Amino acid sequence: GENVEQHPSTLSVQEGDSAVIKCTYSDSASNYFPWYKQELGKGPQLIIDIRSNVGEKKDQRIAVTLNKTAKHFSLHITETQPEDSAVYFCAVASNTDKLIFGTGTRLQVFP
Amino acid sequence: DTEVTQTPKHLVMGMTNKKSLKCEQHMGHRAMYWYKQKAKKPPELMFVYSYEKLSINESVPSRFSPECPNSSLLNLHLHALQPEDSALYLCASSPQLAPLEQFFGPGTRLTVL
Repeated sequence: GENVEQHPSTLSVQEGDSAVIKCTYSDSASNYFPWYKQELGKGPQLIIDIRSNVGEKKDQRIAVTLNKTAKHFSLHITETQPEDSAVYFCAVASNTDKLIFGTGTRLQVFP
Repeated sequence: DTEVTQTPKHLVMGMTNKKSLKCEQHMGHRAMYWYKQKAKKPPELMFVYSYEKLSINESVPSRFSPECPNSSLLNLHLHALQPEDSALYLCASSPQLAPLEQFFGPGTRLTVL
């Protein structure tokens, strides 16, 4: 079955710096790659996603890049702010109707 | 209405109790999901409903019983739970299956004594 690895597990940055989180997957049939942000005491919130026919997608300070050949995709957050502090999960899906989540990255942005 | 709501927010129950978790969405989504999330872990899929029919059961113990009374509502009935079932239970919905954006509710924090 699909295996999703996510790195790093924790990431600390200064406010204004960039943060990058990377995920690798194993199933070449995977075709949908969302990123979720989960704040303490809340459910995961979809922040950006990308499909396999696109290499990059950007939404204001957040971008996702996908390398299908290498089977990895990354979340890029620029100009980080303290409110970006949360746990971020990548996920992978194919046509099996299931999201397989990565292990999560705890991002801390220090003022 | 663009959100998934879950009740209750917190639930404490004994191992002999019967309780239910409720999830509701009014976005017209036709797929709904139950996930279980332990502390510092990713969500784990439990059940998937598509057009009010159970389409995926991830080998969940029978002490968890899902129900989808209509396209907006999803319940999870709990009976004879174990302390290790204590977790955050998340509901999600998506317009349809395979694979589309899933939108999560805030979850129910369950403690089994």
